[in-house]
Order: sequence, then structure tokens, then C-alpha cells
Amino acid sequence: KNEVEQSPQNLTAQEGEFITINCSYSVGISALHWLQQHPGGGIVSLFMLSSGKKKHGRLIATINIQEKHSSLHITASHPRDSAVYICAVLPSGSRLTFGEGTQLTVNP
Amino acid sequence: DTGVSQDPRHKITKRGQNVTFRCDPISEHNRLYWYRQTLGQGPEFLTYFQNEAQLEKSRLLSDRFSAERPKGSFSTLEIQRTEQGDSAMYLCASSLDRNGYTFGSGTRLTVV
Repeated sequence: KNEVEQSPQNLTAQEGEFITINCSYSVGISALHWLQQHPGGGIVSLFMLSSGKKKHGRLIATINIQEKHSSLHITASHPRDSAVYICAVLPSGSRLTFGEGTQLTVNP
Repeated sequence: DTGVSQDPRHKITKRGQNVTFRCDPISEHNRLYWYRQTLGQGPEFLTYFQNEAQLEKSRLLSDRFSAERPKGSFSTLEIQRTEQGDSAMYLCASSLDRNGYTFGSGTRLTVV
């Protein structure tokens, strides 16, 4: 079992839909990152969370430390949101442990 | 500062050749990380530096792989005697201690 599990693996939505991507982890962490990766490979950090909730534009990320679970929500989804979304956790060391990613496709 | 820069963006090499990648981190970041990502998978940790010291290496980093960060600024990752299984995206990231994690755009290696 991976230390970081994401669901779903693939998600197809229509423009305007509300999207949720889930991340569960099995280790103690000091922080959790949500990352976005477009075709071509570059990774962009969306959020770093250690508790509660953060919002940036149409993106919302929440984390429940007790339940070892985080969610990334996208409101009013748009085709330009199509990308791979990756959850990564930071245990007590320095290196991130990554989930396998969720491929999101938003159709117009 | 333009973020984390990686060079080259793409590299195609013949099996058995050596390749070297470069990463320039954010200037004030003391930590630098190398990750490898194969198609359809999340990135996997290879190694990380704090300043010029290489503090941790994954068992994924075979003896054909070597990384350096000689002056605590840029880093190089060299792969000797490349194999087809080395084909992947090699990602560099930097941080200030454990904050401000920033990724580069990656170097895509194809071994033919």
C-alpha cells in the first residue's frame, strides 16, 4: 500500500462543474502539498497545508490531520484546469512523498 | 529571481552514454532535491542537499547516478552508462529549510 493514496485516478468533468480530488496518507506529517502538473512536466505548487483550509481563487484545499485526509476542490471548473493534480506529504524528514496523481480533464 | 531552472529541458541519448543535468535553485534556498518521475507515476525521491552536503540518497540512486552541489548553489545530476530504464522526467526542487518548496520544469530524458 502506498503511503499516499489519491482518488480518483482519472476524472472527467464538464465545464462549470464542482470537482473534488481526495488524498489519504498513512504517515505522520508536518505538511501536505497540492501540486499541479501540465503536459510537458513542470510542477506548480498550489497549496501547502498543515491544518484547516486554504483558498486561492477557485481552488480550495482542506486537511484533517486526525483523519489523515485532504481534499482539493475546484469550483466552476474550466478546460484550462485540465492537468494532473498531485498530493504530496512531508513527513518528519525533508523529502516529499507523492501520490500517483489525478488526471483531470474538463470538457467545454 | 526566476524560480528553479533546469537545463536541458529535453535530452535524447543513446544507451551507454553519460548525461549530466543542471539545476539552479532559488538563490536563498538552502535545500535542493532531485526527484524522478516515470510516465503515469508520481515523482520519486532521489537525493537532497542542504547547502553543499548531500544528506540523503534513495536506494533508487544506483552507483551509475551521482549528484553534486559543490558550492551550495547549483546542482548537477550525472547518469553514467545510461539504460533505457533511466528514461524519465528528472525534477529538481528547492526550499528554505522546509518552506517554500518550488519545483523546476524538469528535464525529460529519453534513452534510445
